[in-house]
Amino acid sequence: QVQLQESGPGLVKPSGTLSLTCTVSGDSISSSNWWSWVRQPPGKGLEWIGEVFHTGDTNYNPSLMSRVSLSVDKSKNEFSLKMTSLTAADTAVYYCARTSNLMPTGYEYWGQGTLVTVSS
Amino acid sequence: DIVLTQSPGTLSLSPGERATLSCRASQSVASSFLAWYQQRPGQPPRLLIYGASSRATGIPDRFSGSGSGTDFTLTISRLEPEDFALYFCQQYGTSPRTFGQGTRLEIK
Repeated sequence: QVQLQESGPGLVKPSGTLSLTCTVSGDSISSSNWWSWVRQPPGKGLEWIGEVFHTGDTNYNPSLMSRVSLSVDKSKNEFSLKMTSLTAADTAVYYCARTSNLMPTGYEYWGQGTLVTVSS
Repeated sequence: DIVLTQSPGTLSLSPGERATLSCRASQSVASSFLAWYQQRPGQPPRLLIYGASSRATGIPDRFSGSGSGTDFTLTISRLEPEDFALYFCQQYGTSPRTFGQGTRLEIK
C-alpha cells in the first residue's frame, strides 16, 4: 500500500521561504516514478508545481520555476519542495503525488495535503 | 503550455441521470495521456481515468472516458449520490502537466 504524507509549517510570513517534505511508505523513492507537487488555493483549481526523479532530474512549471526547487533524500525515502519569496497568492493546500515513469497513468497516489497560509 | 478548458463549469443533474463532462486541449495531447480526477470536499483528487479511456483500479464501470487529440469526454452513466463532486482533467504527456479548471457536478 503506497502512502504519501506531507509535512511542514502551516503558516509562513510574506517574502519568506516554504519548505515541505513528502514521506513515502510502501514504495522506494528510487523506484521508476516521478514524485510531484500540486497545489490548490482555497476554493480554486489544481496547479502543477513540478516533479523530481530519484536521479535528481526535475521538471518545473515555468510560472514557478524561478522560485521553486525540488529534491530527493534517498536515505529518508522522502522528497522535498522549497519555494521562496512567498506572497498571499501562494496560500494553498499543497499535495504530493506519484506518477509512473514506465507506464504513465496520471497521479494514482496522493498525500492528504497540507494547508499553507502566507500571512504576517 | 497546453491549456485545458473544461465545460460546463457547473452541471446540475439528478441521481440516476447521465453526466457528460468535456475537456478541450489547446493542442494535441501526446499519446492520449489524459486523466480524469474526482475531488470531494476536504479530500485529495482521486484518479478515475487515465490514457483517456482506461479506468483506474477500483473505479466503477459507470465511469468511462473517451476522446483523442484535443477533445476528451468523461461520462458517468447513472449518477449515484456519491458522484456529486468536483471533476478535473489533466494532461500528463507534456511538461508542464496542466490541469483543467474543473467542472462542479451538483444535485439538481
